[in-house]
Amino acid sequence: DVKVTQSSRYLVKRTGEKVFLECVQDMDHENMFWYRQDPGLGLRLIYFSYDVKMKEKGDIPEGYSVSREKKERFSLILESASTNQTSMYLCASGFGGAGANVLTFGAGSRLTVL
Amino acid sequence: GQNIDQPTEMTATEGAIVQINCTYQTSGFNGLFWYQQHAGEAPTFLSYNVLDGLEEKGRFSSFLSRSKGYSYLLLKELQMKDSASYLCAVRPNYGQNFVFGPGTRLSVLP
Repeated sequence: DVKVTQSSRYLVKRTGEKVFLECVQDMDHENMFWYRQDPGLGLRLIYFSYDVKMKEKGDIPEGYSVSREKKERFSLILESASTNQTSMYLCASGFGGAGANVLTFGAGSRLTVL
Repeated sequence: GQNIDQPTEMTATEGAIVQINCTYQTSGFNGLFWYQQHAGEAPTFLSYNVLDGLEEKGRFSSFLSRSKGYSYLLLKELQMKDSASYLCAVRPNYGQNFVFGPGTRLSVLP
């Protein structure tokens, strides 16, 4: 079974702190994604990556950065956390190309910024 | 722009049939996906449509009409464990950037 593991399930941080969210997948997927999920808004794409060291901005990249130094690992960084970044963060991975390339999601990281 | 609409909430009775609709307006179309998400858990894949018509998978079926920008997920013989959110997602292009709808929270009552 494909497994996507997110390093932290719950985090509480203070405004201005730097936050790292890590995601690791074990199925050699080319593509990896970071979404945030908020009630009534669904999943919104922050960043995605289709190869090592490659990244593309999603719909809401402001206040976030990402790093993909190895194929299996995709990190989301909040340089200076703010209260409006309190949310559920979901990492996902999938194969590239056309066809039914299903996303596999991690269990999520619930971040609270005080 | 990209827009996907779904009803926010639906309620149905155990053993019944429920249809969850999804309409989309996206810059391109290369597949529509349905995911199920139980509270506090990760979304899991349910179905995929890229051509018009019905795809059946056990108690779940998904329909697509590309000309109408419309899909539905049909759940038959509802069970209590089907209480979850159902997410409609479109892949506008081969760049693998998926656009998700807001999700429909389904409550199955005894």
